[in-house]
Amino acid sequence: DGGITQSPKYLFRKEGQNVTLSCEQNLNHDAMYWYRQDPGQGLRLIYYSQIVNDFQKGDIAEGYSVSREKKESFPLTVTSAQKNPTAFYLCASSVGTGEQPQHFGDGTRLSIL
Amino acid sequence: GENVEQHPSTLSVQEGDSAVIKCTYSDSASNYFPWYKQELGKGPQLIIDIRSNVGEKKDQRIAVTLNKTAKHFSLHITETQPEDSAVYFCAASKPGTASKLTFGTGTRLQVTL
Repeated sequence: DGGITQSPKYLFRKEGQNVTLSCEQNLNHDAMYWYRQDPGQGLRLIYYSQIVNDFQKGDIAEGYSVSREKKESFPLTVTSAQKNPTAFYLCASSVGTGEQPQHFGDGTRLSIL
Repeated sequence: GENVEQHPSTLSVQEGDSAVIKCTYSDSASNYFPWYKQELGKGPQLIIDIRSNVGEKKDQRIAVTLNKTAKHFSLHITETQPEDSAVYFCAASKPGTASKLTFGTGTRLQVTL
């Protein structure tokens, strides 16, 4: 079955550490996205990528970094500069730009120890 | 930028009744409006979407209406069932922005027996 796989489902980080969240898709989609979800809030865009080797900042990019070396993969690194990293992180993909529906993975919950 | 407001934040209905969730958007250039359903611990799943060239779209028990003049759109669920219980998000995007979606803050729908 085609879909988006996020791993791990739960992740714990000590303060001062960087941590990388994995996102893999086998839908052959060009565009990929990372969102952050906090209780009582909608999804907020962190970074997005329209094509391999290219990505743009979203609304809350500070303290995060990404790479897009392969079409299928879009890992997100939460750096120690992110002051409040505890959240539910969602990865999504879409066929391309414009009015295309986005398909989501089942998320990674990151907690600070 | 775009702002999407969603109401109500919580909604409780009896099984078999209808549920209506409303969203307003600020940018008149927005032309794509998807609705997502998110179950506990899962990623959002697209349930229906509408583009600005139509006023209404139906899919079995789910319908979405769009009023471009007033800049609001609504999700209607008829004959609600317990499995409809979830958090629902509306979103909006403009053309030519790499499918950047702006999400509402979500509505928690509870269908009681």
